[in-house]
Amino acid sequence: DAGVIQSPRHEVTEMGQEVTLRCKPISGHDYLFWYRQTMMRGLELLIYFNNNVPIDDSGMPEDRFSAKMPNASFSTLKIQPSEPRDSAVYFCASSFDPARYGYTFGSGTRLTVV
Amino acid sequence: LAKTTQPISMDSYEGQEVNITCSHNNIATNDYITWYQQFPSQGPRFIIQGYKTKVTNEVASLFIPADRKSSTLSLPRVSLSDTAVYYCLVGDVPAGTASKLTFGTGTRLQVTL
Repeated sequence: DAGVIQSPRHEVTEMGQEVTLRCKPISGHDYLFWYRQTMMRGLELLIYFNNNVPIDDSGMPEDRFSAKMPNASFSTLKIQPSEPRDSAVYFCASSFDPARYGYTFGSGTRLTVV
Repeated sequence: LAKTTQPISMDSYEGQEVNITCSHNNIATNDYITWYQQFPSQGPRFIIQGYKTKVTNEVASLFIPADRKSSTLSLPRVSLSDTAVYYCLVGDVPAGTASKLTFGTGTRLQVTL
């Protein structure tokens, strides 16, 4: 398996633009997580899905952020409009049994909003 | 909520055993303890996970006392390639809340010759 695949690896955008981050989880993993990492706040959980259904989105910072999982092999995290303070590395992770085997993370998307 | 506390940084020489302790005084009955390793520009990587007593795999050992209020990750004979940030995570999925699943600040381990 190729692991968790995220795209793009790097994204530079101007303030106010819409940004869409993409994630393909490992086949058979029915949990999917979106994390954000910054120097100031460390790794923060934004939202997680189980069987394509959002279970807990209390970590999503504000209404500008939205996430979808239309099927078991694809998820998106959208920021509209983007702001400079959204600059961070965004990780997607998947698992089939988080309590037993933890999560497998992707390589992340480094987002810079100028 | 099971907040975790770890040392911010640790230094070690190559070949030594390294023990990193994590405090989680408010751990809940259903919570597991998981450790991750993160290298620069990469996502965290699962190392080991346990519920109580001792767990060992090919990479590390995890020691959990009976009260489960702390845990210790033990890395035998570290090498330069073990230089990374190590995170302790306590949580229960799927019953957990988002805040329970948040990583702490981690321990930055620096291994030198």
